[in-house]
Amino acid sequence: QVQLQESGPGLVKPSETLSLTCTVSGDPITSYYWSWIRQPPGKGLEWIGYIYDSRSTKYNPSLEGRVTMSKDAYKKQFYLKLTSVTAADTATYYCAREVERLFHGMDVWGQGISVTVSS
Amino acid sequence: DIQMTQSPSSVSASVGDRVTITCRASQPVMNYLNWFQQRPGKAPKLLIYGASILQSGVPSRFAGNGSGTDFTLTIMSLQREDSAIYYCQQSSSPPLTFGGGTRVEIK
Repeated sequence: QVQLQESGPGLVKPSETLSLTCTVSGDPITSYYWSWIRQPPGKGLEWIGYIYDSRSTKYNPSLEGRVTMSKDAYKKQFYLKLTSVTAADTATYYCAREVERLFHGMDVWGQGISVTVSS
Repeated sequence: DIQMTQSPSSVSASVGDRVTITCRASQPVMNYLNWFQQRPGKAPKLLIYGASILQSGVPSRFAGNGSGTDFTLTIMSLQREDSAIYYCQQSSSPPLTFGGGTRVEIK
Protein backbone atom coordinates (compact mmCIF):
# COMPACT_ATOMS: atom_id res chain seq x y z
CA GLN A 1 0.00 0.00 0.00
CA VAL A 2 1.46 3.31 -1.09
CA GLN A 3 1.87 5.99 1.56
CA LEU A 4 3.13 9.55 1.29
CA GLN A 5 4.60 11.67 4.08
CA GLU A 6 5.45 15.35 3.90
CA SER A 7 8.27 16.81 5.97
CA GLY A 8 9.91 20.18 6.41
CA PRO A 9 9.85 23.29 8.57
CA GLY A 10 6.53 24.50 9.92
CA LEU A 11 7.68 28.12 10.05
CA VAL A 12 9.41 30.10 7.31
CA LYS A 13 10.38 33.77 7.39
CA PRO A 14 9.09 36.16 4.72
CA SER A 15 11.32 36.41 1.64
CA GLU A 16 12.98 33.08 2.44
CA THR A 17 12.61 29.73 0.67
CA LEU A 18 10.11 27.08 1.67
CA SER A 19 11.51 23.58 1.18
CA LEU A 20 9.41 20.46 1.59
CA THR A 21 10.06 16.76 1.06
CA CYS A 22 7.56 14.03 0.27
CA THR A 23 8.68 10.48 1.03
CA VAL A 24 6.99 7.64 -0.82
CA SER A 25 6.70 4.20 0.72
CA GLY A 26 5.28 1.02 -0.72
CA ASP A 27 5.77 1.69 -4.43
CA PRO A 28 8.45 2.80 -6.88
CA ILE A 29 8.46 6.50 -7.60
CA THR A 30 8.61 5.93 -11.35
CA SER A 31 5.67 5.87 -13.76
CA TYR A 32 3.47 8.32 -11.91
CA TYR A 33 2.99 12.05 -11.70
CA TRP A 34 3.85 13.43 -8.28
CA SER A 35 2.00 16.56 -7.30
CA TRP A 36 1.99 19.28 -4.70
CA ILE A 37 -1.27 20.94 -3.65
CA ARG A 38 -1.81 23.57 -0.99
CA GLN A 39 -4.74 24.83 1.06
CA PRO A 40 -4.65 28.17 2.90
CA PRO A 41 -6.38 28.10 6.30
CA GLY A 42 -10.15 27.87 5.82
CA LYS A 43 -9.88 28.05 2.04
CA GLY A 44 -9.96 25.77 -0.98
CA LEU A 45 -7.36 23.71 -2.80
CA GLU A 46 -4.70 25.04 -5.16
CA TRP A 47 -2.63 22.79 -7.41
CA ILE A 48 1.01 23.85 -7.31
CA GLY A 49 2.36 21.51 -9.95
CA TYR A 50 3.71 18.07 -10.70
CA ILE A 51 6.90 16.29 -11.58
CA TYR A 52 6.81 13.26 -13.84
CA ASP A 53 10.39 12.36 -14.47
CA SER A 54 13.49 14.31 -13.64
CA ARG A 55 13.03 16.54 -16.66
CA SER A 56 9.28 16.82 -16.91
CA THR A 57 7.58 19.33 -14.66
CA LYS A 58 4.50 21.49 -14.89
CA TYR A 59 3.82 24.37 -12.57
CA ASN A 60 0.85 26.56 -11.86
CA PRO A 61 1.47 29.83 -13.73
CA SER A 62 0.36 31.71 -10.61
CA LEU A 63 3.57 30.47 -8.95
CA GLU A 64 5.81 30.24 -12.00
CA GLY A 65 9.24 31.67 -11.36
CA ARG A 66 9.09 30.87 -7.64
CA VAL A 67 8.50 27.12 -7.66
CA THR A 68 10.86 24.26 -8.42
CA MET A 69 10.15 20.56 -8.11
CA SER A 70 12.64 17.73 -8.22
CA LYS A 71 12.86 14.12 -7.22
CA ASP A 72 15.30 11.43 -6.15
CA ALA A 73 14.04 8.05 -7.34
CA TYR A 74 16.67 6.19 -5.33
CA LYS A 75 15.56 7.82 -2.07
CA LYS A 76 11.89 7.63 -3.19
CA GLN A 77 11.47 11.28 -2.39
CA PHE A 78 10.28 14.30 -4.29
CA TYR A 79 10.73 17.92 -3.34
CA LEU A 80 9.13 21.34 -3.46
CA LYS A 81 10.97 24.63 -3.27
CA LEU A 82 9.07 27.91 -3.17
CA THR A 83 11.16 31.06 -3.09
CA SER A 84 10.44 34.59 -1.85
CA VAL A 85 7.57 33.48 0.35
CA THR A 86 5.03 35.88 1.81
CA ALA A 87 2.15 35.51 4.25
CA ALA A 88 -0.01 34.49 1.28
CA ASP A 89 1.99 31.24 1.08
CA THR A 90 0.81 30.20 4.55
CA ALA A 91 -1.07 26.96 3.97
CA THR A 92 -1.25 23.24 4.52
CA TYR A 93 0.86 21.65 1.82
CA TYR A 94 -0.04 18.20 0.52
CA CYS A 95 1.86 15.86 -1.73
CA ALA A 96 -0.14 13.43 -3.84
CA ARG A 97 0.20 10.74 -6.49
CA GLU A 98 -1.46 11.63 -9.77
CA VAL A 99 -2.35 8.64 -11.93
CA GLU A 100 -2.71 9.04 -15.68
CA ARG A 101 -5.01 6.01 -16.08
CA LEU A 102 -7.34 7.54 -13.47
CA PHE A 103 -7.82 10.60 -15.66
CA HIS A 104 -5.02 12.22 -13.65
CA GLY A 105 -6.97 11.68 -10.45
CA MET A 106 -4.92 12.00 -7.27
CA ASP A 107 -5.53 8.72 -5.53
CA VAL A 108 -2.99 8.83 -2.69
CA TRP A 109 -2.31 11.86 -0.52
CA GLY A 110 0.02 12.66 2.33
CA GLN A 111 -1.48 13.83 5.60
CA GLY A 112 -0.38 17.39 4.90
CA ILE A 113 2.08 19.72 6.60
CA SER A 114 1.12 23.12 7.94
CA VAL A 115 3.52 25.89 6.94
CA THR A 116 3.30 29.39 8.38
CA VAL A 117 5.15 32.32 6.85
CA SER A 118 5.94 34.80 9.59
CA SER A 119 8.86 36.70 11.03
CA ASP B 1 -6.91 28.65 -16.74
CA ILE B 2 -10.13 26.65 -16.61
CA GLN B 3 -12.41 27.99 -13.88
CA MET B 4 -14.51 25.50 -11.91
CA THR B 5 -17.72 26.71 -10.28
CA GLN B 6 -19.55 24.59 -7.73
CA SER B 7 -23.04 25.00 -6.38
CA PRO B 8 -24.42 25.16 -3.83
CA SER B 9 -21.65 26.36 -1.53
CA SER B 10 -23.32 24.52 1.31
CA VAL B 11 -26.21 22.14 1.83
CA SER B 12 -27.87 20.76 4.94
CA ALA B 13 -29.79 17.50 4.63
CA SER B 14 -31.05 14.61 6.71
CA VAL B 15 -29.74 11.08 6.87
CA GLY B 16 -31.22 9.15 3.97
CA ASP B 17 -31.72 12.20 1.77
CA ARG B 18 -30.45 12.49 -1.76
CA VAL B 19 -27.93 15.31 -2.22
CA THR B 20 -26.74 16.65 -5.57
CA ILE B 21 -23.78 18.98 -6.10
CA THR B 22 -23.11 20.60 -9.44
CA CYS B 23 -19.84 21.66 -11.00
CA ARG B 24 -19.44 23.76 -14.11
CA ALA B 25 -16.24 24.26 -16.09
CA SER B 26 -15.50 27.50 -17.94
CA GLN B 27 -14.55 25.46 -21.01
CA PRO B 28 -15.03 21.80 -22.01
CA VAL B 29 -12.94 19.30 -20.06
CA MET B 30 -14.32 16.17 -21.77
CA ASN B 31 -14.68 13.74 -18.87
CA TYR B 32 -11.47 14.77 -17.11
CA LEU B 33 -13.39 15.64 -13.97
CA ASN B 34 -12.67 14.29 -10.51
CA TRP B 35 -14.49 14.59 -7.19
CA PHE B 36 -12.88 14.67 -3.77
CA GLN B 37 -14.21 14.49 -0.22
CA GLN B 38 -12.38 16.33 2.55
CA ARG B 39 -13.29 15.75 6.18
CA PRO B 40 -12.11 18.28 8.80
CA GLY B 41 -8.39 18.13 9.42
CA LYS B 42 -7.86 15.44 6.80
CA ALA B 43 -6.40 15.24 3.33
CA PRO B 44 -8.80 15.12 0.39
CA LYS B 45 -9.92 11.67 -0.72
CA LEU B 46 -10.59 10.74 -4.33
CA LEU B 47 -14.20 9.61 -4.74
CA ILE B 48 -14.80 9.67 -8.49
CA TYR B 49 -12.51 10.07 -11.49
CA GLY B 50 -13.28 10.37 -15.18
CA ALA B 51 -16.55 12.10 -14.24
CA SER B 52 -18.38 8.89 -13.36
CA ILE B 53 -15.95 6.12 -12.33
CA LEU B 54 -16.13 5.20 -8.67
CA GLN B 55 -12.72 4.94 -7.04
CA SER B 56 -11.97 1.59 -5.43
CA GLY B 57 -13.40 1.31 -1.92
CA VAL B 58 -15.82 4.23 -2.24
CA PRO B 59 -19.43 3.40 -1.29
CA SER B 60 -21.83 2.96 -4.19
CA ARG B 61 -24.16 5.67 -2.84
CA PHE B 62 -21.79 8.16 -4.50
CA ALA B 63 -22.36 8.72 -8.20
CA GLY B 64 -20.90 11.11 -10.74
CA ASN B 65 -22.31 12.21 -14.04
CA GLY B 66 -21.69 14.67 -16.83
CA SER B 67 -19.36 15.51 -19.66
CA GLY B 68 -18.05 18.63 -21.34
CA THR B 69 -18.76 21.51 -18.99
CA ASP B 70 -21.53 20.35 -16.64
CA PHE B 71 -21.12 17.70 -13.97
CA THR B 72 -22.91 16.42 -10.90
CA LEU B 73 -22.01 14.46 -7.79
CA THR B 74 -24.96 12.72 -6.15
CA ILE B 75 -25.02 11.13 -2.72
CA MET B 76 -28.02 8.87 -3.05
CA SER B 77 -28.71 8.16 0.62
CA LEU B 78 -26.84 10.55 2.88
CA GLN B 79 -25.03 9.03 5.85
CA ARG B 80 -23.61 10.80 8.92
CA GLU B 81 -20.05 10.05 7.82
CA ASP B 82 -20.67 11.97 4.57
CA SER B 83 -20.45 15.27 6.45
CA ALA B 84 -17.52 16.93 4.65
CA ILE B 85 -16.52 19.42 1.98
CA TYR B 86 -16.68 18.14 -1.59
CA TYR B 87 -14.48 19.51 -4.37
CA CYS B 88 -14.57 18.99 -8.10
CA GLN B 89 -11.34 19.23 -10.07
CA GLN B 90 -10.61 19.36 -13.76
CA SER B 91 -7.59 17.40 -14.98
CA SER B 92 -8.02 18.11 -18.67
CA SER B 93 -5.51 20.93 -18.93
CA PRO B 94 -2.81 22.25 -16.59
CA PRO B 95 -3.00 24.09 -14.33
CA LEU B 96 -5.33 21.59 -12.72
CA THR B 97 -8.04 23.58 -10.99
CA PHE B 98 -10.53 22.90 -8.22
CA GLY B 99 -13.99 24.17 -7.56
CA GLY B 100 -14.57 26.28 -4.48
CA GLY B 101 -16.07 23.40 -2.54
CA THR B 102 -19.50 22.41 -1.24
CA ARG B 103 -19.99 21.87 2.48
CA VAL B 104 -22.43 19.06 3.25
CA GLU B 105 -23.91 19.12 6.72
CA ILE B 106 -26.22 16.64 8.42
CA LYS B 107 -29.39 18.05 9.96
